[in-house]
Amino acid sequence: DTAVSQTPKYLVTQMGNDKSIKCEQNLGHDTMYWYKQDSKKFLKIMFSYNNKELIINETVPNRFSPKSPDKAHLNLHINSLELGDSAVYFCASSQDWQTPLGPYEQYFGPGTRLTVT
Amino acid sequence: AQTVTQSQPEMSVQEAETVTLSCTYDTSESNYYLFWYKQPPSRQMILVIRQEAYKQQNATENRFSVNFQKAAKSFSLKISDSQLGDTAMYFCAFMKGGVSGATNKLIFGTGTLLAVQP
Repeated sequence: DTAVSQTPKYLVTQMGNDKSIKCEQNLGHDTMYWYKQDSKKFLKIMFSYNNKELIINETVPNRFSPKSPDKAHLNLHINSLELGDSAVYFCASSQDWQTPLGPYEQYFGPGTRLTVT
Repeated sequence: AQTVTQSQPEMSVQEAETVTLSCTYDTSESNYYLFWYKQPPSRQMILVIRQEAYKQQNATENRFSVNFQKAAKSFSLKISDSQLGDTAMYFCAFMKGGVSGATNKLIFGTGTLLAVQP
């Protein structure tokens, strides 16, 4: 059973287009995230949602808009795609924020490789 | 702001030998957590090991162990009896402690590509 799934796994599109990446988790988690891994493999958080509420927004351009229809889904919509948006986008989820004993583990999806030409 | 530095872009080790990957971090926080993640060629991010800053004892998980030096802000990963399946990119990561969702983000280093040679 796939815990965190993303569709599509690969996405090739042209500059200026609008595209969406979907993420679903079947772990019953309350918190979901989007991370971006650039061409140099550097990973950086973009957004975090907890129970459909935006918690973290890491100064990402307005062209990126996350949407959480329910707590099992967190989609990423990107408008007016640019060459620099080419990257691997990872969705992740965790049970909640943190316990007194520390953070819950974040489970990552397989990633979506976005190529903008 | 917190930063995580991995100074070894690439490393190589022979199968069955031991290798240590380095990581240093910078923070003014007293409550935080450190992690090592593995990213094999499949691209999947896998948690290898975690360390709570308040714990003096170094974490271990089977063949993986850490050397956590809090004063030096150093967090190295030792892989014993290296196996071909350990070939992957390894990322060191930091998370601030607390009960706010805003703190629940992983801050990653730039990664070390480890190749295990037969």
